[in-house]
Amino acid sequence: EDKVVQSPLSLVVHEGDTVTLNCSYEVTNFRSLLWYKQEKKAPTFLFMLTSSGIEKKSGRLSSILDKKELSSILNITATQTGDSAIYLCAVNYGGATNKLIFGTGTLLAVQP
Amino acid sequence: DSGVTQTPKHLITATGQRVTLRCSPRSGDLSVYWYQQSLDQGLQFLIQYYNGEERAKGNILERFSAQQFPDLHSELNLSSLELGDSALYFCASSVARGQVTDTQYFGPGTRLTVL
Repeated sequence: EDKVVQSPLSLVVHEGDTVTLNCSYEVTNFRSLLWYKQEKKAPTFLFMLTSSGIEKKSGRLSSILDKKELSSILNITATQTGDSAIYLCAVNYGGATNKLIFGTGTLLAVQP
Repeated sequence: DSGVTQTPKHLITATGQRVTLRCSPRSGDLSVYWYQQSLDQGLQFLIQYYNGEERAKGNILERFSAQQFPDLHSELNLSSLELGDSALYFCASSVARGQVTDTQYFGPGTRLTVL
């Protein structure tokens, strides 16, 4: 059965801390792995990682794909209260259909 | 703002009723995806349409159906509603021309409450 597992389920940190969120997957027909940030409502796209692009960085956020270990990490450095959100990992596994399977997410709370 | 729009924002209805959720994709996107997000299930893929045709099905109940119209907007119809159908329903869109880098962008969602 295809699945995506995220850990931890939730964490609380102080502003300025660095956090690492984990995502592991077992899917057939892997195409890409995506990270989304969900605050109040809609998930907003952060990164996409593929076999040809296994590391991405944007400001304080960075992500790496380990195709051998079938996993990915999302790093956030110098966290701010605005980083508080649910971080969702999704894997595109549907071939031409681009189906996504999501993990249950990691709830990050950044305290001032 | 992703460019994907959904209406209504909130919907409260009674068990047994039928509702229609509407989604307009980003300009240029041909594919629409519907997802259900509940507290205990996370984000679950329901169904995908591409240029008016159904392309993929996920965990969609038989009481639910969808369609995509010639102008590419999509509607998700939920019938014989049950308490357990209460959830956030998201629509996403993408270009979906087969590229590995195809990215889905999500609309703001419709919160459905079944009483």
